[in-house]
Amino acid sequence: DADVTQTPRNRITKTGKRIMLECSQTKGHDRMYWYRQDPGLGLRLIYYSFDVKDINKGEISDGYSVSRQAQAKFSLSLESAIPNQTALYFCATSDQRERNNEQFFGPGTRLTVL
Amino acid sequence: QKEVEQNSGPLSVPEGAIASLNCTYSDRGSQSFFWYRQYSGKSPELIMFIYSNGDKEDGRFTAQLNKASQYVSLLIRDSQPSDSATYLCAVGDYKLSFGAGTTVTVRA
Repeated sequence: DADVTQTPRNRITKTGKRIMLECSQTKGHDRMYWYRQDPGLGLRLIYYSFDVKDINKGEISDGYSVSRQAQAKFSLSLESAIPNQTALYFCATSDQRERNNEQFFGPGTRLTVL
Repeated sequence: QKEVEQNSGPLSVPEGAIASLNCTYSDRGSQSFFWYRQYSGKSPELIMFIYSNGDKEDGRFTAQLNKASQYVSLLIRDSQPSDSATYLCAVGDYKLSFGAGTTVTVRA
């Protein structure tokens, strides 16, 4: 089984709808991240969390919120989706004990907002 | 100016040749540098990391770091068709800034 899973893998929704993307990990990592990827822009950090009680905004947090329900679960919500939130969303994890801070990515969720 | 800039692609190289990828960054205090590979439709995976000035070799991959010039590069020797992918440069410690990526195509 994959160490970092994301659900759903694909989602089409309409403008104004609330949507939640979920991320779970079995790696036992303490740090979790949400990124979005757009063509020509690379990966941009939305939110990150170092433990259940720690939530931090990233580069582009406007229009998004997150919840760290447990060490293994980190959800991203779009309260009122808009078309420019159409993108590929990745969850990632890392372990603060690892010197190289390698981030392990989930398979991604392709979100389309009509 | 973007925090992390990569040379624009796409980069096309013949099989067996060396592919050279470049990356510059703006934050002089950056300590950690990463190269991720992303196949089309897949998630990024780490292939190299480097912290110190100089070269670091791992198989056919060599990462080069020059902190004074704020420059990091990746060389892929003996390029194979399986190396065809987008390569992402990332800079930072716990919070990474990514470049837009350079797409490499290895021609058989």
